[in-house]
Amino acid sequence: GDQVEQSPSALSLHEGTGSALRCNFTTTMRAVQWFRKNSRGSLINLFYLASGTKENGRLKSAFDSKERYSTLHIRDAQLEDSGTYFCAAEMDSNYQLIWGSGTKLIIKP
Amino acid sequence: GGIITQTPKFLIGQEGQKLTLKCQQNFNHDTMYWYRQDSGKGLRLIYYSITENDLQKGDLSEGYDASREKKSSFSLTVTSAQKNEMAVFLCASSIQSSGNTLYFGEGSRLIVV
Repeated sequence: GDQVEQSPSALSLHEGTGSALRCNFTTTMRAVQWFRKNSRGSLINLFYLASGTKENGRLKSAFDSKERYSTLHIRDAQLEDSGTYFCAAEMDSNYQLIWGSGTKLIIKP
Repeated sequence: GGIITQTPKFLIGQEGQKLTLKCQQNFNHDTMYWYRQDSGKGLRLIYYSITENDLQKGDLSEGYDASREKKSSFSLTVTSAQKNEMAVFLCASSIQSSGNTLYFGEGSRLIVV
């Protein structure tokens, strides 16, 4: 089965509201990264976490290696937050990144 | 800041044709990667390279060749294009092969006719 399960696959929010994306892992991961794919197709790195939480503006991410999950919280969503968000986890045993299948986020006025 | 440039943005070829994608980075990063993204799926690693002239296979290397001619460039060749290979190919780089942020190019879409 998939080692990284990302949910939800799609999410629609009104401007000003917030929600959370989540990635569950079936094995212990060393670190996790969160990316946003913008309308031009570029993957923008949002966070890299080996543990704990990080916050950047209206985004906050948490990673718990022991409990095998990571979350990405968005608050006060803006139209420019729309895009597809991916988590990617770094396996404990090697360099490889295992990717979630993505969450398509749509922000409505 | 640096940039990763992928060329071409769209690559159109015929079934059975050998097709090459190119990637350049000016971050002076050691490690470069080629990923394939199919619609609705996570990225899958094709090849990566930890230094000039190094080549390591990823999960999806069959049917592909790669070449790290110099530190700043990493090319990917589809040895015999198939219609089920139409996807977006993403190049990335990082300082080292683990524990570091990946930086991505804008992607190249492969279209097989």
